[in-house]
Amino acid sequence: AQKITQTQPGMFVQEKEAVTLDCTYDTSDQSYGLFWYKQPSSGEMIFLIYQGSYDEQNATEGRYSLNFQKARKSANLVISASQLGDSAMYFCAMRDGTGANSKLTFGKGITLSVRP
Amino acid sequence: KAGVTQTPRYLIKTRGQQVTLSCSPISGHRSVSWYQQTPGQGLQFLFEYFSETQRNKGNFPGRFSGRQFSNSRSEMNVSTLELGDSALYLCASSLGSAYNEQFFGPGTRLTVL
Repeated sequence: AQKITQTQPGMFVQEKEAVTLDCTYDTSDQSYGLFWYKQPSSGEMIFLIYQGSYDEQNATEGRYSLNFQKARKSANLVISASQLGDSAMYFCAMRDGTGANSKLTFGKGITLSVRP
Repeated sequence: KAGVTQTPRYLIKTRGQQVTLSCSPISGHRSVSWYQQTPGQGLQFLFEYFSETQRNKGNFPGRFSGRQFSNSRSEMNVSTLELGDSALYLCASSLGSAYNEQFFGPGTRLTVL
């Protein structure tokens, strides 16, 4: 099974509206971390938000929030008040395992286009 | 504080050649990870170094190797280049703990002809 699944091929949102980008994950570990990154056309990966598996509250960072549903193994990213500059690829990633088995695994990504 | 830097930004090589890419992490960061990004395979983990030691490794052939120096700078080497090695190679640094966020560099775009 894939560790990180992002099934939405492409998303469109109107400027100033909110959008949810879906991410489901698969791990048997109790301790893990979930990340979201943004990759604009320039190619650089930009860290957005982090959620630890033991965190009881959903993470928030400015306009970004993570809707963490542990039982469903989902970690959806919510972007509020979309801006034109939010148009980019968005990657969900998970770090699980310990020691030599610990690494960051990325999903395939979702393209978000913000319409004016 | 300066971000992660990668050199060169663009590289064109021919099949059979070898290439060395360089990554300078954020000052104070001791962990450096390398990733390969292609349209078909997405982002794939290559390896991670921490304090000059390879901490873990992805599922890539032995042609891909790396090292880390005492100042945390890292290099990755690809020998006997193949057309399929054409990709964006991203380097990321972090403080070291597995659950710290990783900060990425701008990447090196390698084209193999």
